[in-house]
Amino acid sequence: DQQVKQNSPSLSVQEGRISILNCDYTNSMFDYFLWYKKYPAEGPTFLISISSIKDKNEDGRFTVFLNKSAKHLSLHIVPSQPGDSAVYFCAASEGTSGTYKYIFGTGTRLKVLA
Amino acid sequence: ETGVTQTPRHLVMGMTNKKSLKCEQHLGHNAMYWYKQSAKKPLELMFVYNFKEQTENNSVPSRFSPECPNSSHLFLHLHTLQPEDSALYLCASSQGGHWNTEAFFGQGTRLTVV
Repeated sequence: DQQVKQNSPSLSVQEGRISILNCDYTNSMFDYFLWYKKYPAEGPTFLISISSIKDKNEDGRFTVFLNKSAKHLSLHIVPSQPGDSAVYFCAASEGTSGTYKYIFGTGTRLKVLA
Repeated sequence: ETGVTQTPRHLVMGMTNKKSLKCEQHLGHNAMYWYKQSAKKPLELMFVYNFKEQTENNSVPSRFSPECPNSSHLFLHLHTLQPEDSALYLCASSQGGHWNTEAFFGQGTRLTVV
């Protein structure tokens, strides 16, 4: 059973416009949410995160929104740039076992068109 | 050297071979993770170690054998693998039992089983 879902495998956006990547989760024990960016043949790199006590976190061009009641989060990139083209993974974390583990979605491939 | 380093970057092995993947982190973290990334699948959590103790084994077949001699090093010993085990294997580390922290990933080892 997939606890973190990214239902859009790919997204194309024009340079300068907004990119919105979506993520849904099922486990209400998740208390920390993260977005990672991944280029081919590299490991994922951390982008931005949000804790469950907030509904918005902003870092430069990147903003993450969390809707706990809907178990939904989204990543907004404004303005989108060609260098943002990559696979974006949503992840959720919970530590009820004493060690935090990170559960990932399948990723969304973002292509920013120049 | 900083961050999370994985060796080798690429590995081709026969089904009867025995090989090991190595991961080293220089971040002072106390938790380390092995993930598997197959095509069109989410990053699958395999193992979690916290202060050298294994705290999670996500129903991984015994042909994968992890070893964590200390908080900075993590190995994945491989033997009698199957072609479907071909994937990108990613190591990560984090501050373990601390909430609100992200995991840092290595570059991964691209494994091909022939």
